[in-house]
Order: sequence, then structure tokens, then C-alpha cells
Amino acid sequence: QQQVKQSPQSLIVQKGGISIINCAYENTAFDYFPWYQQFPGKGPALLIAIRPDVSEKKEGRFTISFNKSAKQFSLHIMDSQPGDSATYFCAASKNTGRRALTFGSGTRLQVQP
Amino acid sequence: GAVVSQHPSRVICKSGTSVKIECRSLDFQATTMFWYRQFPKQSLMLMATSNEGSKATYEQGVEKDKFLINHASLTLSTLTVTSAHPEDSSFYICSARDQMGQGNEQYFGPGTRLTVT
Repeated sequence: QQQVKQSPQSLIVQKGGISIINCAYENTAFDYFPWYQQFPGKGPALLIAIRPDVSEKKEGRFTISFNKSAKQFSLHIMDSQPGDSATYFCAASKNTGRRALTFGSGTRLQVQP
Repeated sequence: GAVVSQHPSRVICKSGTSVKIECRSLDFQATTMFWYRQFPKQSLMLMATSNEGSKATYEQGVEKDKFLINHASLTLSTLTVTSAHPEDSSFYICSARDQMGQGNEQYFGPGTRLTVT
């Protein structure tokens, strides 16, 4: 599997602040980039995803920014809330063939009240 | 919509026994499902791709004779851990790809915690 590098490993943000998590990929054949949220003991939940034909996608408080030339994409969580405290994973895949997701290493977000 | 269930959610078994885990897509059809394992505080590791009506594709290093996968219908895939040993203890998670989705939307089940004693 090609690697997807994710940073930071952990993040502490104050309530109401902006949480930013970054990912970089190597395989230029990737053309689907989702973000997942995982709470302890639960399966990951699909938050938001982007294709490389757009540079930004927003859904509620969650925004993906995508830079194709730099092979980087990021998740912005606006107005972060304590309920957002979870582990976030970026992922990437091709949109043909097996379409297996390659996951980043995860970011543990803690939003302090 | 896009709900994936797993059963059981938690299982404890003795070393040497076999355990079957079911993964179901409840409100969509999935020709492809994926099986992952996750160790504490780590990312998801893809074990195999389950294809409806055909043999599963295993990732390098995953023993196909130990982790048996069957995808008998468009809504059900099963993972059987045969002759389980303590090192097989982990969190097993499946995902299902919505074949009608525009992208590669994959939805995950809640996971199965396997403990082998």
C-alpha cells in the first residue's frame, strides 16, 4: 500500500477554536480523499470526502482543503466542540479497481471546554 | 442510510477455537467489502478485500487459511478466524462500499472486539 502521512499525531484545541489536521500522499493515481472520525471502541464514521477536481469542500463545520500540486489535503473543524474529541483519519484511494482505502496514522483531537 | 452492522460486537474465545464475524450492509448493496484489524491507538490495517461471488483478495502477510472470508450475497460478508491464538486478539472492523455511490464511499461497521484467552 502506498503511504499517506498524517500530522499532527495529537492536537489540543480550545472550545470554539479551529482544528486543523494535515495529510500528504505519494501516489498520484489516488483520486478520492475521505476523512473519518472514530470514537473509542467504535468503527470509523465517514465525515466528508473530496475528489481532486475541486480545491475545497465544506459540510457544516467541516472543510476539506485540497492541493493537488503539493499532494496534500487537510481537514478544518470550525468552532470545535468537546463532542468533536475523537481520533480522525485521513484516507486515499483510487476510484477504479479494488478501491481499497489507504489510511493515515490518525490524529487524536481533544477539545477542551 | 448507509448502515453497516457487525455481529458479534464482542467475543471471548479459548485458544484453538474458531470465531466467525458477520458484516452486513443494511440499506445498500455492496459487491465489495473490506476487513481491517486495528490495534490500540493505531490506524486501520487492511487485511483483505471481500468480493461477492468470488475469492477474497488478501493483503501481503495475511494468512488466507487462518482468516477465511466468504461473501455469499450483496449484503453479507463473513470473516472466520480459525484456530485463534492470543496474538489474534484485536479489534476487527469491516467496511462496505456503496456500489451506487458516486465516489468510493465506504461505510464501516461498529467493529468486533476479539479476545483470545
